[in-house]
Amino acid sequence: AQTVTQSQPEMSVQEAETVTLSCTYDTSESDYYLFWYKQPPSRQMILVIRQEAYKQQNATENRFSVNFQKAAKSFSLKISDSQLGDAAMYFCAYRSIGYSTLTFGKGTMLLVSP
Amino acid sequence: KAGVTQTPRYLIKTRGQQVTLSCSPISGHRSVSWYQQTPGQGLQFLFEYFSETQRNKGNFPGRFSGRQFSNSRSEMNVSTLELGDSALYLCASSLTGQRYEQYFGPGTRLTVT
Repeated sequence: AQTVTQSQPEMSVQEAETVTLSCTYDTSESDYYLFWYKQPPSRQMILVIRQEAYKQQNATENRFSVNFQKAAKSFSLKISDSQLGDAAMYFCAYRSIGYSTLTFGKGTMLLVSP
Repeated sequence: KAGVTQTPRYLIKTRGQQVTLSCSPISGHRSVSWYQQTPGQGLQFLFEYFSETQRNKGNFPGRFSGRQFSNSRSEMNVSTLELGDSALYLCASSLTGQRYEQYFGPGTRLTVT
């Protein structure tokens, strides 16, 4: 079974600064998907970014980018130019090929201060 | 296009009762998954339905069940509620095919007293 570990329960960043959230995972599969989801206080889970394991290029979505290290089984999220609206719980998630089921980490609460 | 909707948004039940939660997926999405979110256990997969068939099931007791209708709407049922069932229950829908991500609803907050 796959496991996802987020070792930072909480992170703080100031507006306009950059922050990196860590995620490691364990799997014996060679191909899979990785995701970062954001859950603001309103609770609606929103997809931030996705990475397909067979792609070596790191995914980027505007201010959000990932550092995918397949050999190290590491998948960190970098948020550049942080904004107050980025404050939320961030979840790292794993999905096997051919399945819809997501395996989530425990989450990292991101606090953004003015 | 309307997002995933879940009803009710909040629910208070007593131990021993049963509860039914509803999820309407995004139009055209045929896969519906359910997750339980608690502070202690985090997000845990309950089950997934596709074309009215349960395709995958998480490690939950038989008190937790679900179904999917021909219009892809899904319900989950919890019988004989326990205090530990208090949680946020999230529903997610997706298009078929492995490249499609899941879109989540706002959740139903269940409190068992």
